[in-house]
Amino acid sequence: NAGVTQTPKFRVLKTGQSMTLLCAQDMNHEYMYWYRQDPGMGLRLIHYSVGEGTTAKGEVPDGYNVSRLKKQNFLLGLESAAPSQTSVYFCASSYRPGQQETQYFGPGTRLLVL
Amino acid sequence: RKEVEQDPGPFNVPEGATVAFNCTYSNSASQSFFWYRQDCRKEPKLLMSVYSSGNEDGRFTAQLNRASQYISLLIRDSKLSDSATYLCVVAGGSYIPTFGRGTSLIVHP
Repeated sequence: NAGVTQTPKFRVLKTGQSMTLLCAQDMNHEYMYWYRQDPGMGLRLIHYSVGEGTTAKGEVPDGYNVSRLKKQNFLLGLESAAPSQTSVYFCASSYRPGQQETQYFGPGTRLLVL
Repeated sequence: RKEVEQDPGPFNVPEGATVAFNCTYSNSASQSFFWYRQDCRKEPKLLMSVYSSGNEDGRFTAQLNRASQYISLLIRDSKLSDSATYLCVVAGGSYIPTFGRGTSLIVHP
């Protein structure tokens, strides 16, 4: 099993450009999450999904959109990138809601917006 | 007040030392507690879950104090390879986790 994979690993964008980050998991997990991590800020939840076809806002959703058309994929879109969106983006998944349910993380996507 | 708070450190300790981290949380209805480890420029990985009765995994011991709303992580006999950032994670009734900002540990020879 590949676990959680993220595409691309690194990207440079110019302000105003758009892009989509892809997260894929092969563990049949129900829950999927997108986080961003900035120096000194820890991981902050952008959006999450509790199942195929569902999405919900997290702590910092502005400037991002998501879609979960297939259970194994969770897409994060930036419609008009801004320098403030320079960050490391982590995707995670967990099997089901419940106590002590472990999250599994992808390797991250490093995004630089100029 | 941030939902999950940690001392960012760094904690700088010699090999063989015992070191402890605390993490406080604000939501008294929180139900799930974890410690994750994150190496530099890598993804977080589960170190251990934290159970009400406390739990131990080798050199690592985790404790939960619901009355004072904190969890702790104790590392005994520190190794160079323990150098990392330790993330405290708390989840409430919705089971959506909230991460602390992490505590940096540096173990030196």
